[in-house]
Amino acid sequence: AQRVTQPEKLLSVFKGAPVELKCNYSYSGSPELFWYVQYSRQRLQLLLRHISRESIKGFTADLNKGETSFHLKKPFAQEEDSAMYYCALSIQGAQKLVFGQGTRLTINP
Amino acid sequence: NAGVTQTPKFRVLKTGQSMTLLCAQDMNHEYMYWYRQDPGMGLRLIHYSVGEGTTAKGEVPDGYNVSRLKKQNFLLGLESAAPSQTSVYFCASSRLAGGTYEQYFGPGTRLTVT
Repeated sequence: AQRVTQPEKLLSVFKGAPVELKCNYSYSGSPELFWYVQYSRQRLQLLLRHISRESIKGFTADLNKGETSFHLKKPFAQEEDSAMYYCALSIQGAQKLVFGQGTRLTINP
Repeated sequence: NAGVTQTPKFRVLKTGQSMTLLCAQDMNHEYMYWYRQDPGMGLRLIHYSVGEGTTAKGEVPDGYNVSRLKKQNFLLGLESAAPSQTSVYFCASSRLAGGTYEQYFGPGTRLTVT
C-alpha cells in the first residue's frame, strides 16, 4: 500500500538556521512527490513538486529513490516560513494524492 | 476567479442529523476531491470525481456520499452525522500542469458533531 510518513509532528528552529522537514514514502512504482504548505488562516497550497526540480521561497527537495525520501530543505529559515507542511505522493497514472501526517514548523526570532 | 469555494465555513450538528457540504470551482477542472483533516492524521481522501457524473471512493468513504451533477460542483453529504465525523473538510480540484496534477484547495469547512 502507498504510504507517506513525516516523522516530526512539530519542528522548531531559530531564524537564520537551516531547516529540514523529513518525508519518507512507500510505493513500489514510480512516484511523484509534492510538498504542500498551509500558512496561518490561509488555504493549503502547492509549494513544490519533485518533477519540476525547482526552488520555491528558498526551499528545495530532492527525490532519493534509494532511501525513498523527499526531504524539504532551506538553508536559512525565515519567520514567514512558520506553517504546516504536508508531503504528498501521487500514484502514477492516477489523479489522487496520499498525504503524510504533516509537520508544524515554527521559526523562532 | 474565485478558485475553489466551500459552503458553509462552519457548522454544528447533532448526532443523527444530516447535511450537505458544497464545493464549487470556476477553473474548469476535471477532477475534484473531498478530504478530511484530523490532528496527527494529515489529510485523508474521502471521495473523488474524475468528471461530471462520476464519483469514486477514497481512503475513508464510510458515512459519506457525494454527487457531481455539474462539472463545477462537488457535493459531500452526511446522512446521519456521528461525533467521529467532527473534522475540518477540504475540497480540492485539479488540472494537468507540467506533466503532473496540481491540486487547488478550498478554505475548508469546520464541522462539529455533538
